[in-house]
Amino acid sequence: AQKITQTQPGMFVQEKEAVTLDCTYDTSDQSYGLFWYKQPSSGEMIFLIYQGSYDEQNATEGRYSLNFQKARKSANLVISASQLGDSAMYFCAMRLTGTASKLTFGTGTRLQVTL
Amino acid sequence: DAGVIQSPRHEVTEMGQEVTLRCKPISGHNSLFWYRQTMMRGLELLIYFNNNVPIDDSGMPEDRFSAKMPNASFSTLKIQPSEPRDSAVYFCASSPTFRGVLRYEQYFGPGTRLTVT
Repeated sequence: AQKITQTQPGMFVQEKEAVTLDCTYDTSDQSYGLFWYKQPSSGEMIFLIYQGSYDEQNATEGRYSLNFQKARKSANLVISASQLGDSAMYFCAMRLTGTASKLTFGTGTRLQVTL
Repeated sequence: DAGVIQSPRHEVTEMGQEVTLRCKPISGHNSLFWYRQTMMRGLELLIYFNNNVPIDDSGMPEDRFSAKMPNASFSTLKIQPSEPRDSAVYFCASSPTFRGVLRYEQYFGPGTRLTVT
């Protein structure tokens, strides 16, 4: 069965600095997709970025980038130039082929951006 | 686009009462998911539907929970009878499904915060 591990329950970063949120996954499948979601204090889940297992380049979306290291089975989220509004919970998730659209989520990392 | 719509946003009920949560997915999305989020257990997938058919309900905690999707634009999650340990935020999400395509993210509704006293 697939598993997502986020080992950092909480992280602090100063405004305008970059921060990396860790995510490792475990699957024997060769074809899978990796996702990051943001959950601010208001509670909604916001999709941030996607990386496919066969994608040769790391995904980027504005200030978000995904540091994908397939051999290490890691998919770390990098947020550049942190803003106060980035303070939130961040969840890593994985989808396998053959499972329709089912996502498996990690336990999340709470990021706090400070002045 | 209206996004995924959930109602009610907040529900407070007494133990033993029936609770019905409602979800309207994004038009054109043929996969629908119900999640539960608690501090202790994180985000758990309860059940998901593809083309209105339940695909995997292994996450449903027990027989007190049931979910239906009578048509492509509506789903319900029912708890009967409710218990205090059911208190959580319940999310509905929808996604397009294309065979073999992993790319499509799930779009989440705002959630229903359920409190059972």
